Amino acid sequence: DGGITQSPKYLFRKEGQNVTLSCEQNLNHDAMYWYRQDPGQGLRLIYYSQIVNDFQKGDIAEGYSVSREKKESFPLTVTSAQKNPTAFYLCASSIDFRGTSGRRRTDTQYFGPGTRLTVL
Amino acid sequence: AQKVTQAQTEISVVEKEDVTLDCVYETRDTTYYLFWYKQPPSGELVFLIRRNSFDEQNEISGRYSWNFQKSTSSFNFTITASQVVDSAVYFCALSAATGANNLFFGTGTRLTVIP
Repeated sequence: DGGITQSPKYLFRKEGQNVTLSCEQNLNHDAMYWYRQDPGQGLRLIYYSQIVNDFQKGDIAEGYSVSREKKESFPLTVTSAQKNPTAFYLCASSIDFRGTSGRRRTDTQYFGPGTRLTVL
Repeated sequence: AQKVTQAQTEISVVEKEDVTLDCVYETRDTTYYLFWYKQPPSGELVFLIRRNSFDEQNEISGRYSWNFQKSTSSFNFTITASQVVDSAVYFCALSAATGANNLFFGTGTRLTVIP
């Protein structure tokens, strides 16, 4: 079955530690995204990547890092520099294509099941 | 600047009642997409609908319907004959139609359907 997987589902971290959240997709999507969700709030974009070996900062990139070495994978590292990392993290992916005008467009984003990170 | 407002934080209805979730947006883009996602207690966001700014026709899918009004910058979502399985948080979102497809989310509306 095609889809997006995130692991682990729950993650506990001690203060000062870096942790890496996994996101894998087998949908052959070009673009991948990381969002953070805090209680009672909407999702905020951390990083996104439209192509392998390239990624861009979102609205709240400070304290996070990513890599995109393979089309299928977009891991997110939460570093010790992130002051308030406890949150729910969602990964998404979408098709990225050029429309008839030649301008780049991306399609609907589909989300993984999420990772709940708690700092102890 | 892109902004999505979902003024209703929480709504409770009794099963079989109809319910409308409001969404108001702001954008300077001339072409854009609007979305609704459902987040059940499991946490995963489930895609419900995407609407292009060119298309103001209302859409119906089973018990779900969407009313897009460009004149009032609104994209409201109605569930007819609600069921307990509809209990979830619903998010409205906005993105530009070209370039990076960054989604801008509202804060969500928590819907509770009481049996």
